[in-house]
Amino acid sequence: AQRVTQPEKLLSVFKGAPVELKCNYSYSGSPELFWYVQYSRQRLQLLLRHISRESIKGFTADLNKGETSFHLKKPFAQEEDSAMYYCALSTPGGYQKVTFGTGTKLQVIP
Amino acid sequence: DAGVTQSPTHLIKTRGQQVTLRCSPKSGHDTVSWYQQALGQGPQFIFQYYEEEERQRGNFPDRFSGHQFPNYSSELNVNALLLGDSALYLCASSLGGQGAHSPLHFGNGTRLTVT
Repeated sequence: AQRVTQPEKLLSVFKGAPVELKCNYSYSGSPELFWYVQYSRQRLQLLLRHISRESIKGFTADLNKGETSFHLKKPFAQEEDSAMYYCALSTPGGYQKVTFGTGTKLQVIP
Repeated sequence: DAGVTQSPTHLIKTRGQQVTLRCSPKSGHDTVSWYQQALGQGPQFIFQYYEEEERQRGNFPDRFSGHQFPNYSSELNVNALLLGDSALYLCASSLGGQGAHSPLHFGNGTRLTVT
């Protein structure tokens, strides 16, 4: 069975400081990894996915199969980055059962 | 495009009762997944519907059942409600034909309180 672990419930950083939200997963095959974000009073939405290998709102995430990690990074935090971030895993096979972590609340201090 | 819409937004039920939650997917999407999100937790997968059939199911008892209609909208039914069923129920739609990795588009959820 697959599992996603986000060790930090809350991460507080100052504006302009680097951000790293940690995500580790357990799955024996080749999963697809995602980061979803929920801003205050908004619905949960996709931030980025590892197969796209793109930067969204300055965030990047690299899949490290050796360490089974998919940490989310941003070099300079902005106040509008404050939100709840969920790491998620989808397994191959044509089905879209997505397993979510418990989430990390990012608080950017002005 | 209204995106994924869910109704009702809030619901209060008594233990032992039955409840039906509804979801309309984003225009063009044909797959609906349901998630339960307890307070302080991430969304937990309940099941997924595609072509009016349950395609995948998570670790939820048979009290949780669903349906998908020809217009792709979906219902989640929960029988014999328990206090522990109190949670935010999220519906997410996606494109089933794109394989395993079509991103999920979420609704705002239905907050169910069981007393």
